[in-house]
Amino acid sequence: QVQLQESGPGLVKASETLSLTCSVSGDSVSSGSSYWGWIRQPPGKGLEWIGSIYYSGSAYYDPSLTSRVTISVATSKTQFFLNLRSVTAADTAVYYCARRASSSGWGYDSWGQGILVTVSS
Amino acid sequence: DIQMTQSPSSVSASVGDRVTITCRASQDISNWLAWYHQKPGKAPKLLISAASSLQSGVPSTFSGSASGTDFTLTISSLQPEDFGTYYCQQSKSFPITFGQGTRLEIQ
Repeated sequence: QVQLQESGPGLVKASETLSLTCSVSGDSVSSGSSYWGWIRQPPGKGLEWIGSIYYSGSAYYDPSLTSRVTISVATSKTQFFLNLRSVTAADTAVYYCARRASSSGWGYDSWGQGILVTVSS
Repeated sequence: DIQMTQSPSSVSASVGDRVTITCRASQDISNWLAWYHQKPGKAPKLLISAASSLQSGVPSTFSGSASGTDFTLTISSLQPEDFGTYYCQQSKSFPITFGQGTRLEIQ
């Protein structure tokens, strides 16, 4: 059974960089049958896709964030990362990491529990 | 970007009712459509992928269908645990996009 777990600071100062880690068990980020992604949800609002990375290292980002975001994979292939630069209060959200798998029709079939990140001024 | 428009934005129904939620894509996405259910404070749960493929463990009261760029999630007999918010999501092309959500309240 695949499990994902987000970790990182829950409070980030405005203009600084938000850095989160997603730890994966039960699968490998080097699997060619999955994309690994980040999705966020501002308080009281809907789901916002941030981006995904494939085992090849190819990364895809939402156009509204592409100038500030980087998703990367650890050499261990059991973790992947989110870096979001120059944050503002609008980046305050619950951040989820998730797997999108071919075995599930390319839906996000496994999610972390989510981590609330608050941007303070 | 492909825009996903859900309707209604909220719905209230009673246990045993049939509920239908619609999602319209701004362009052809074939059947690259997934449905999720999210309860407050929890991560979303994948219900249906490829427009109509029910995920393992999801009750058969849930079903999905497609007609052109219109997609439908149907709950044939509403259960108390079905409350929460439902989202559609397209994976035809990047950027992946979600609908704005439909909040389902049990009367």
